[in-house]
Amino acid sequence: GENVEQHPSTLSVQEGDSAVIKCTYSDSASNYFPWYKQELGKRPQLIIDIRSNVGEKKDQRIAVTLNKTAKHFSLHITETQPEDSAVYFCAACFYGGSQGNLIFGKGTKLSVKP
Amino acid sequence: GAGVSQTPSNKVTEKGKYVELRCDPISGHTALYWYRQSLGQGPEFLIYFQGTGAADDSGLPNDRFFAVRPEGSVSTLKIQRTERGDSAVYLCASSLTRDRNEQFFGPGTRLTVL
Repeated sequence: GENVEQHPSTLSVQEGDSAVIKCTYSDSASNYFPWYKQELGKRPQLIIDIRSNVGEKKDQRIAVTLNKTAKHFSLHITETQPEDSAVYFCAACFYGGSQGNLIFGKGTKLSVKP
Repeated sequence: GAGVSQTPSNKVTEKGKYVELRCDPISGHTALYWYRQSLGQGPEFLIYFQGTGAADDSGLPNDRFFAVRPEGSVSTLKIQRTERGDSAVYLCASSLTRDRNEQFFGPGTRLTVL
């Protein structure tokens, strides 16, 4: 089955700097890759996603890149702000047939220092 | 409209007891997922419903866990003979259809087994 590795487990940056979180996946059939932000005690919130037919997607300060050949994808946050501090999870899944469950990485705790 | 809701928000029970956790998906969402999140980990898939039927229950850890969705909307996760290792946050998510990938999470039920 699918396995998702996420790095780093913790990341500390200064306000205004960029942050990059990387994930690798094992199942080449996976075709959907969302990123979730989870604040302490809150639900995971979808912040951006990418499908396997796209190499890059951007939404304001957030971008995601996908390299299908290498089976890795990354989250890029530019001009970080203190409110970006949270745990970020990548996930992968194959949508098709009876499948659709997300396989999550272990998370990256991002701290943005003012 | 309203997001995914879950009740109760917290449940404390004793080892060996039976518990039921409820999920109300976003209205009109046909796909519903249950995940379990332990401290410091990413959500772990349990079961996926498409309509009333369980399309994939491969994540249920053992036969003490069971879930239903009799009318294709509200779902109940049932845990028999609870064990201390069942303590976790149980998350529910829904998506519009099987082909619309975005999964929206509820706030979770924190289960503590004493």
